[in-house]
Amino acid sequence: DADVTQTPRNRITKTGKRIMLECSQTKGHDRMYWYRQDPGLGLRLIYYSFDVKDINKGEISDGYSVSRQAQAKFSLSLESAIPNQTALYFCATSDRTGKETQYFGPGTRLLVL
Amino acid sequence: GENVEQHPSTLSVQEGDSAVIKCTYSDSASNYFPWYKQELGKRPQLIIDIRSNVGEKKDQRIAVTLNKTAKHFSLHITETQPEDSAVYFCAADSSYKLIFGSGTRLLVRP
Repeated sequence: DADVTQTPRNRITKTGKRIMLECSQTKGHDRMYWYRQDPGLGLRLIYYSFDVKDINKGEISDGYSVSRQAQAKFSLSLESAIPNQTALYFCATSDRTGKETQYFGPGTRLLVL
Repeated sequence: GENVEQHPSTLSVQEGDSAVIKCTYSDSASNYFPWYKQELGKRPQLIIDIRSNVGEKKDQRIAVTLNKTAKHFSLHITETQPEDSAVYFCAADSSYKLIFGSGTRLLVRP
């Protein structure tokens, strides 16, 4: 879905480095989410935001932080990357109710050495 | 909080056969249950969803059933085709967010 974009698509970094993953959407949705995908563990919620002034922790927020710069932008930061943060990261958006379709970005594949 | 369990983790079927994937959830307040399909190297995309006011929903070869009393819901794919090969995720809503199952890798053998 081209309406939700993520940058970068692939990233290799070293342990201890700070890294930011960015998500932008043109769908006009209020709600944005960051998920992490690991083999056999499905999609786990890191952080979510219901509007620009709202930030909530998900089930695996330790080691991550987020910023909702605008309705259309939601960034995920790893302040000091560690190897077990190697994963596929997805951003998603949904409409106001939160009980509608979530639209996913293309994903960012992160490798921490 | 909500916990969603999904089975099986892998499923291999012959082309033309049916496939069934099952999920259970723990939060009795959940009332929205979507299913997502993720093809290799692609993003998850919604294929069907069901709300608690209905027990079954169909869309061509795909159907979902919901048993709120037992807190489980299932995805049924009939007449499977090679292009159905993918990872399928169930999810349930909890406090205005979705909790996903761990996924089922479906392989349809030609």
